[in-house]
Amino acid sequence: QKEVEQNSGPLSVPEGAIASLNCTYSDRVSQSFFWYRQYSGKSPELIMSIYSNGDKEDGRFTAQLNKASQYVSLLIRDSQPSDSATYLCAVNFIMNTGFQKLVFGTGTRLLVSP
Amino acid sequence: DVKVTQSSRYLVKRTGEKVFLECVQDMDHENMFWYRQDPGLGLRLIYFSYDVKMKEKGDIPEGYSVSREKKERFSLILESASTNQTSMYLCASSLTGTIEKLFFGSGTQLSVL
Repeated sequence: QKEVEQNSGPLSVPEGAIASLNCTYSDRVSQSFFWYRQYSGKSPELIMSIYSNGDKEDGRFTAQLNKASQYVSLLIRDSQPSDSATYLCAVNFIMNTGFQKLVFGTGTRLLVSP
Repeated sequence: DVKVTQSSRYLVKRTGEKVFLECVQDMDHENMFWYRQDPGLGLRLIYFSYDVKMKEKGDIPEGYSVSREKKERFSLILESASTNQTSMYLCASSLTGTIEKLFFGSGTQLSVL
């Protein structure tokens, strides 16, 4: 089982619609969850973080976390063509050495059509 | 703004060559990381460092080594480049205690022929 799993997509939505991106993770003790956005040919950038169960809203973005189901999601309301990118889910894992590492999913490509 | 600078955007090397990828950050971050990104495999952690002269293996350290002699600089070394090391290499840094907010460099696309 992969540590962090995402559907690769592409997920196609029309402009103005809600885009829903999903992610599952394998380690029940993980405590920190993140969404990074990566435009084509660019580096990832952090857009959302969530640490406790429930919803966290930031503008048009809402992150949702369900630790019991080991499930994280990102909702993008009023999707814009400029939201077209690959969205990477990232989860912190504690290594055998005690250090923490950030593990990324393979990303979901989102296409927003005008 | 935090700036993470990688020395080369594109690099072409031959198999067996020793390759150095350099990364410099200007925000006094303690933590630095090297990832590689491949289609279908995502970002995978190669090595990281939480302090000067400290290094820890990530998930795929085989064939790589690192050096951190100064706080701002973290180098990735391919001891003997092989074709399966053709990839996009991304360096990142973060503040102490905050591994999650990574600031990435623009990446180095390495091709090993």
